[in-house]
Amino acid sequence: EAQVTQNPRYLITVTGKKLTVTCSQNMNHEYMSWYRQDPGLGLRQIYYSMNVEVTDKGDVPEGYKVSRKEKRNFPLILESPSPNQTSLYFCASSLTGAQYTGELFFGEGSRLTVL
Amino acid sequence: AQRVTQPEKLLSVFKGAPVELKCNYSYSGSPELFWYVQYSRQRLQLLLRHISRESIKGFTADLNKGETSFHLKKPFAQEEDSAMYYCALNTGNQFYFGTGTSLTVIP
Repeated sequence: EAQVTQNPRYLITVTGKKLTVTCSQNMNHEYMSWYRQDPGLGLRQIYYSMNVEVTDKGDVPEGYKVSRKEKRNFPLILESPSPNQTSLYFCASSLTGAQYTGELFFGEGSRLTVL
Repeated sequence: AQRVTQPEKLLSVFKGAPVELKCNYSYSGSPELFWYVQYSRQRLQLLLRHISRESIKGFTADLNKGETSFHLKKPFAQEEDSAMYYCALNTGNQFYFGTGTSLTVIP
């Protein structure tokens, strides 16, 4: 089944303890991106990647890192999580170039709580 | 700067009544606009995009560049339309989402 898979789905951690949220897609999409969803603020883009080894900042990149070593994977890294990073995180992917439709395919979301 | 505005956080309509979810955007270039929907316990998914000018599940949305709006409309709401709706703007590489409107269709 074509989909975007995020792990973990739920995580409670403590301030300062590094964590990684993985994202993997099996649709051979070039474009991948991360969003955080907070009440009253909607979805805000954290980072995006146009292809392997090409990443760029979105609207709210502070406190996050990403890497794109393989086309299918786009992990989100929180080097030193803080309570203001408690949020619901979504990974999404899409085609680009000649096959571009603009449609983003979303993962199920990862709910992160930082104590 | 907020690029996509959805003024209604919550919207309730009766079944069979018309529904309009408002979306306004701010972008100096040529906008590419979408409506995404999230049904209960499902993933966020594309509902429709302005370039295709299609009707999906009875919903339509027209891009009005003069008013910088992309309102979502349906003439007769159904209970299954109850969901969270997000308007989104693509500026090339970046997507900007509104804060979302939670639509409830009352039987």
